[in-house]
Amino acid sequence: DGGITQSPKYLFRKEGQNVTLSCEQNLNHDAMYWYRQDPGQGLRLIYYSQIVNDFQKGDIAEGYSVSREKKESFPLTVTSAQKNPTAFYLCASSLALEGTQDEQYFGPGTRLTVT
Amino acid sequence: GQNIDQPTEMTATEGAIVQINCTYQTSGFNGLFWYQQHAGEAPTFLSYNVLDGLEEKGRFSSFLSRSKGYSYLLLKELQMKDSASYLCAVKVDSNYQLIWGAGTKLIIKP
Repeated sequence: DGGITQSPKYLFRKEGQNVTLSCEQNLNHDAMYWYRQDPGQGLRLIYYSQIVNDFQKGDIAEGYSVSREKKESFPLTVTSAQKNPTAFYLCASSLALEGTQDEQYFGPGTRLTVT
Repeated sequence: GQNIDQPTEMTATEGAIVQINCTYQTSGFNGLFWYQQHAGEAPTFLSYNVLDGLEEKGRFSSFLSRSKGYSYLLLKELQMKDSASYLCAVKVDSNYQLIWGAGTKLIIKP
């Protein structure tokens, strides 16, 4: 079964610690995305990658870092520099084929709580 | 700036029809998506419109008017499982990024 997995589903950390959220896809998609979702707000793009070894900042990249060493994997690190890290984090992927509707497929999300 | 507006919350009755509106003001337009998201879960794709008009998919239909910057999602024969948030998103240009509305929480009552 093809899909996107994120782990863990719930994550608790102390302030000042870096934490890495995992995202893996076996859909053979070129593009991958990280979003943050807060109550009452739309999804906000943190980083995206259209190809291996390349990624671009989204609207709210400060305090986050990513890597794309393999097509299947796009881990997100939430650093201690992120002021309000507590949120629901969603990873997505898409074919990134120009001229198509190119809908994004989402993983189940990781709810991060920092105290 | 980029802006997408949706009502925050709507209530409807099981078996009825509901229309969820989305208006957008964006710097470009390459298509509009509707997603469904149950509480605490991932958004799932419902529909895509890039040309004006109505797209029908079973109980769900989506309409687009590019000149008015307006779309709606129509849900017929409502079921309790349709209780969810409905997210509107616009693809602004060709680099695959989407601008998302805050979502409309739909509550279905028996």
